[in-house]
Amino acid sequence: AQKITQTQPGMFVQEKEAVTLDCTYDTSDPSYGLFWYKQPSSGEMIFLIYQGSYDQQNATEGRYSLNFQKARKSANLVISASQLGDSAMYFCAMRERNTGNQFYFGTGTSLTVIP
Amino acid sequence: DAGVIQSPRHEVTEMGQEVTLRCKPISGHDYLFWYRQTMMRGLELLIYFNNNVPIDDSGMPEDRFSAKMPNASFSTLKIQPSEPRDSAVYFCASSLPGGASHDGDTQYFGPGTRLTVL
Repeated sequence: AQKITQTQPGMFVQEKEAVTLDCTYDTSDPSYGLFWYKQPSSGEMIFLIYQGSYDQQNATEGRYSLNFQKARKSANLVISASQLGDSAMYFCAMRERNTGNQFYFGTGTSLTVIP
Repeated sequence: DAGVIQSPRHEVTEMGQEVTLRCKPISGHDYLFWYRQTMMRGLELLIYFNNNVPIDDSGMPEDRFSAKMPNASFSTLKIQPSEPRDSAVYFCASSLPGGASHDGDTQYFGPGTRLTVL
């Protein structure tokens, strides 16, 4: 089974609108971290936001928020007030702390912000 | 901190040549990861180290690939002999051991090495 599933290969959003990128995960480890990374066309992998499995509140970082629904095993990324510079690939990832500390990545979602 | 440093940033070589990619992790990080990214296969974990010891190399595609971490501040990924299908972007990333916090858990990537094998 896939550890991380991103079902939206491509998404479009109007500038200044909000957009949600979906991510579901699969783990039996009670201790894990969830991450979102941004990869612009220049190629670097930029860390955006983190959510720990024991965190009670959803993580927020500026215009980014992570909608963490533990029972559903989902960790959707919400970008508010989209900007043209948000156009990029977005990867969801998970780290299982008790089973090797390895990271697992999804296949990514390509976001295009339309002016 | 300077972040994860990779060299070279670009490498163009001919089939059959040896290629060595280098990585310097963030100081104090004791996990180091090597990834390969292609359009066809996405982001693949090749190998990762903990305290300089390889933990899982099941992602290394074949014996032509080898990785070493002789000390806490340096790692190499070597391809010998290289083939055109090895053309990809190779990322190195590092992290702390993992813990219930952002700082403990997060993995930081280097800028990547774009390898082209002709």
